[in-house]
Amino acid sequence: GQQLNQSPQSMFIQEGEDVSMNCTSSSIFNTWLWYKQDPGEGPVLLIALYKAGELTSNGRLTAQFGITRKDSFLNISASIPSDVGIYFCATSIFTNAGKSTFGDGTTLTVKP
Amino acid sequence: DVKVTQSSRYLVKRTGEKVFLECVQDMDHENMFWYRQDPGLGLRLIYFSYDVKMKEKGDIPEGYSVSREKKERFSLILESASTNQTSMYLCASSLDRGPYGYTFGSGTRLTVV
Repeated sequence: GQQLNQSPQSMFIQEGEDVSMNCTSSSIFNTWLWYKQDPGEGPVLLIALYKAGELTSNGRLTAQFGITRKDSFLNISASIPSDVGIYFCATSIFTNAGKSTFGDGTTLTVKP
Repeated sequence: DVKVTQSSRYLVKRTGEKVFLECVQDMDHENMFWYRQDPGLGLRLIYFSYDVKMKEKGDIPEGYSVSREKKERFSLILESASTNQTSMYLCASSLDRGPYGYTFGSGTRLTVV
C-alpha cells in the first residue's frame, strides 16, 4: 500500500528553538493532515491542508502542502515544553471514505 | 465537545482470554477505525468500518475481529489474547466522503500476561 516517509524520527531541542519536520511519498494525495499525540493520549488533529501549495498556520505551527502533492512539512516556532509529543503526518484519498495513511511519527523532546 | 470514548484506559488480561475493547463516538460519524500503536512501528490499522454491520480488514487483522451493531459503537475483539498483542489500542472515527481528519479516543493500554 501507500507509504509515507516521515523525518526526522526524533528530535531533541532546547526551549525557544524552531522545529521542522516533513513527510514525503511516492504517490500524489489530495489532503495532508498533521496530528499531535501527547504522552498517554490519542492523536489530535492540528492542521489540515487541502490544496497544493497551501500554507496554513495555527498559532506557532505552520504547515505546507507541497506543490508536487507528494510532500508536506510542519514547522513549530519558538518551542515550549508542552510541545513535547509525537507528531504524525497523514494523507487521505478523497474517494477512500476517509481512510488515512499515517507516517511513523516524529518524537519531539523539548529541554527547558 | 465531540468525543470518541474508549471504555478502559488500562487493561491486564491473561493469555488465552477473550478480550473486548469498546469504543463509542457521539458525532454521528460513518467511519470507525481500530489501530494499534507500538514503539517504532507507528499506527497500524487493524480493522475499519464504514457503516453499521460493515467491516474491512486493515493491515494487521490476524488475531482480531470487530463488531459494529450500532453506528456509534465499534468493538475490537481479541479472540484468544497472546502476549504479542500487548500494545496501545486507539479507536478513531471520521465523516464519510472526503478527506476529513480523524477524531481519536484516548487509547487503551492492554497488557497480556
